[in-house]
Order: sequence, then C-alpha cells, then structure tokens
Amino acid sequence: KQEVTQIPAALSVPEGENLVLNCSFTDSAIYNLQWFRQDPGKGLTSLLLIQSSQREQTSGRLNASLDKSSGRSTLYIAASQPGDSATYLCAVSEWGGGADGLTFGKGTHLIIQP
Amino acid sequence: DAGITQSPRHKVTETGTPVTLRCHQTENHRYMYWYRQDPGHGLRLIHYSYGVKDTDKGEVSDGYSVSRSKTEDFLLTLESATSSQTSVYFCAISEQLGPGNTIYFGEGSWLTVV
Repeated sequence: KQEVTQIPAALSVPEGENLVLNCSFTDSAIYNLQWFRQDPGKGLTSLLLIQSSQREQTSGRLNASLDKSSGRSTLYIAASQPGDSATYLCAVSEWGGGADGLTFGKGTHLIIQP
Repeated sequence: DAGITQSPRHKVTETGTPVTLRCHQTENHRYMYWYRQDPGHGLRLIHYSYGVKDTDKGEVSDGYSVSRSKTEDFLLTLESATSSQTSVYFCAISEQLGPGNTIYFGEGSWLTVV
C-alpha cells in the first residue's frame, strides 16, 4: 500500500527566506505527483502537477521536483511571503491511472513570520 | 476556480441520524470523489464515481453510501451517523484519467456528530 510522508510536519521561518518542503512515497510506480495548498477552513488548491515522466515543474516562486526512482519530491518556495502561510500537501496518483483518487501525505504546516 | 459546491457547509447532527452531503459540479467532469480529512490521518478516500450510476469504494467506506444519478451531483450518505464520523468532508472532481490530469476540490463540509 502506498504511503506518503511529509517532512517537516511544521515549519516557521522569517519572511524572505527560501525554503524546501519534502515529500517521500514508498511505491515508485506513480502516474503523477501533485502539490496542494490548503488555507485554514478551506479546500485544497492544486499548485503544481508533475507527471511521472517529468523531473520538475515551476509556477512563479514555486518549483517542484520529482525523483521517482528514489521516491522523493521537493517543493521549493523562493523569497517566502506571509501570504504563503498555509498547509502544503503532496499527493500521488498510482500507476494505471485508476479512478480511485490520490494518496495524500499529512501535510507541512508553514508559517511565514512578517 | 473549478465550479464545485458542497452543501451543507456546516452541520451538527445527533448520533444515529442519517445525514446526506451533496456535491454539485458545473464542469461536466466524469470523475467525482468524496474524501474525509482528520488530524493525524490526512485526507482519505471514502467513495468515488466514474460516471452516472458507477461508483466504487475507497479506503474508508464503511458506514457510508453514495449515489450519482446525474453527472453534476454526487451524494454522500451517512446511514446512521456516529461520533467517529465527525470530520471535514471534501468533494473533488477530475475530468479524465491520465498523467497530466489534475483534481479539483470543493470548500469542504464540516460535520459534527454529537
């Protein structure tokens, strides 16, 4: 059974710092990996999707990398801002593209101090 | 934002009563999902649907049933609510399968069973 782990569980950094969030998964036979953002009391918003054949994706100050063979992904946030404060979740879709959704990590709760 | 509406957004109910949560989408996406989110467990799949009248169980389906009579509506029913079903419930949709496909989430329904 696929397991997704996110480290650290919580992180607090001053504004302006570059930071890295980590995600690991136990079964490397994945279809894709997505990074989501969740604000308190809200749903999840997809930030980046990396297909299994890709190594990285970028959107603005966010860069996500994928090393499928080692079962790891990182989300890099450049020049962090207080508005980046949220919980970040990674999720994998397993090989075969089955319709049974995603396996999620428990998230990293990020606080950017002004 | 994907057109996903969940109702009710907040509900308090008594143990043993039936509860139905509704997810309505305006995107005409084929796939719909119900997840629950709990501290320490992250998001877990309850049931999903791959078309009208086509549904299947997820990881934590016991005590829940679903129905999809129209493309746009996916109902989640707690047949006899228990305190362990106190949770935040998220509906999600995706257009198709494939490595480039992303999944969109609703805003969530907060359910408290007393």
